[in-house]
Amino acid sequence: QKEVEQNSGPLSVPEGAIASLNCTYSDRGSQSFFWYRQYSGKSPELIMSIYSNGDKEDGRFTAQLNKASQYVSLLIRDSQPSDSATYLCAVRDASGTYKYIFGTGTRLKVLA
Amino acid sequence: GAVVSQHPSRVICKSGTSVKIECRSLDFQATTMFWYRQFPKQSLMLMATSNEGSKATYEQGVEKDKFLINHASLTLSTLTVTSAHPEDSSFYICSATGPSRDGYTFGSGTRLTVV
Repeated sequence: QKEVEQNSGPLSVPEGAIASLNCTYSDRGSQSFFWYRQYSGKSPELIMSIYSNGDKEDGRFTAQLNKASQYVSLLIRDSQPSDSATYLCAVRDASGTYKYIFGTGTRLKVLA
Repeated sequence: GAVVSQHPSRVICKSGTSVKIECRSLDFQATTMFWYRQFPKQSLMLMATSNEGSKATYEQGVEKDKFLINHASLTLSTLTVTSAHPEDSSFYICSATGPSRDGYTFGSGTRLTVV
């Protein structure tokens, strides 16, 4: 069974610090990876996508991908209280469909 | 950007009744939409893949006769929860892959409470 694993947290970081969120996946053939942010009671919103090994930066967010280790991470620089949310890692199914497999999410708390 | 509209946002229904949830892609055509369910403090669980003009593909363990999906046009998919029971109370979210195919766009979700 294809799995995406995340530490459920909560991960608490002080305001202004770097938050590091991690995700591992089981399907070695996966090529597309996504990070979503979900506020309580709301639907997820896409933060980043990453397809190639290495880093991809977008503002305060950096996604990192290591396909050999089957590992994806998200770094949030200068964390703000408004970043407090659950972060979901998603991996597109390698079978060629657009089905995504979601991790259980990591709850981030940024302390003011 | 790609926008997916979902209605209603909240619904309370009596046990045994049916509820229809609509999911519309507003500025793009979505040949495929996905329906997820999320219980409190849990992740999203894919229920079914909705394909325009054909039958939906249900995930293992999802009752297709209970969760009826219709994708009659390129911009509209509906999920009908039939004979709803309290255990069907959940957050239902639809999603679609936009034209860029760079990640899902989610609808705003529907909070269903069956009393």
